[in-house]
Amino acid sequence: EAQVTQNPRYLITVTGKKLTVTCSQNMNHEYMSWYRQDPGLGLRQIYYSMNVEVTDKGDVPEGYKVSRKEKRNFPLILESPSPNQTSLYFCASRAGTQNQQYFGPGTRLTVT
Amino acid sequence: QKEVEQNSGPLSVPEGAIASLNCTYSDRGSQSFFWYRQYSGKSPELIMFIYSNGDKEDGRFTAQLNKASQYVSLLIRDSQPSDSATYLCAVNTGFQKLVFGTGTRLLVSP
Repeated sequence: EAQVTQNPRYLITVTGKKLTVTCSQNMNHEYMSWYRQDPGLGLRQIYYSMNVEVTDKGDVPEGYKVSRKEKRNFPLILESPSPNQTSLYFCASRAGTQNQQYFGPGTRLTVT
Repeated sequence: QKEVEQNSGPLSVPEGAIASLNCTYSDRGSQSFFWYRQYSGKSPELIMFIYSNGDKEDGRFTAQLNKASQYVSLLIRDSQPSDSATYLCAVNTGFQKLVFGTGTRLLVSP
C-alpha cells in the first residue's frame, strides 16, 4: 500500500530535550516536505527536499533541522524544542512530475 | 495581506444543496491551484487541482479559476453530510512552494 508514515503519532516532551520525528514514504517520491498546522494559521511549510541531499527552507524553518540521506526518509529534528513548537506536524511527499501530494497521518507534539 | 485567504466559516448548507467555497491569493505569478479536504483529526487529501482559467469538473466537484481576479473557488453539488470537513485552498507560488489558506469549515446538515 502506497503510504507516508510518521512516528511517533503523539509526543509530549519538555523544553530543550532534543527529539526527532521520522517520516518515510514507499512510493519512491523525489519531493518531501514538512508542515506544521496551527489553529488560525493553517498549514505552513517548514522544510522541503527535492531529492537526496537537497533540502531548503520553507516559511517557518527556525528551530528545526532536516536531513535527506535516503530517498524514502525525511526526518524532522528539533534540537531544543520550545513551547511555541507545540503543533500538529505533517510530512508529505509527491513525485516530481505529479500534483498529488500524499500526507502522512500527522504527529501531535506538545512541548511543556 | 495573507498570501492565500479563505473565510474560516463555518459554511452551513442543507443536504442536496450546492456548497460554494472561495479563495483569493496575492501572488499574480501563481500557476497552479489546489483544493484539499481535511476531516477532523486527519491529514489533508487532494480533491481537485486547476491550472487554467475557467471551470474544471470532477464528479460532484467543480473548481473555478479566475487569474485576473486572483480568485479560485470550489463548488460541491448535491452536498452530503460526509462532505462536512475543512477545505483547504493551496497555491503554488513558485517552484516547490505550496502556500495553504487557513481553510473553510463546511457543515452539511441532513
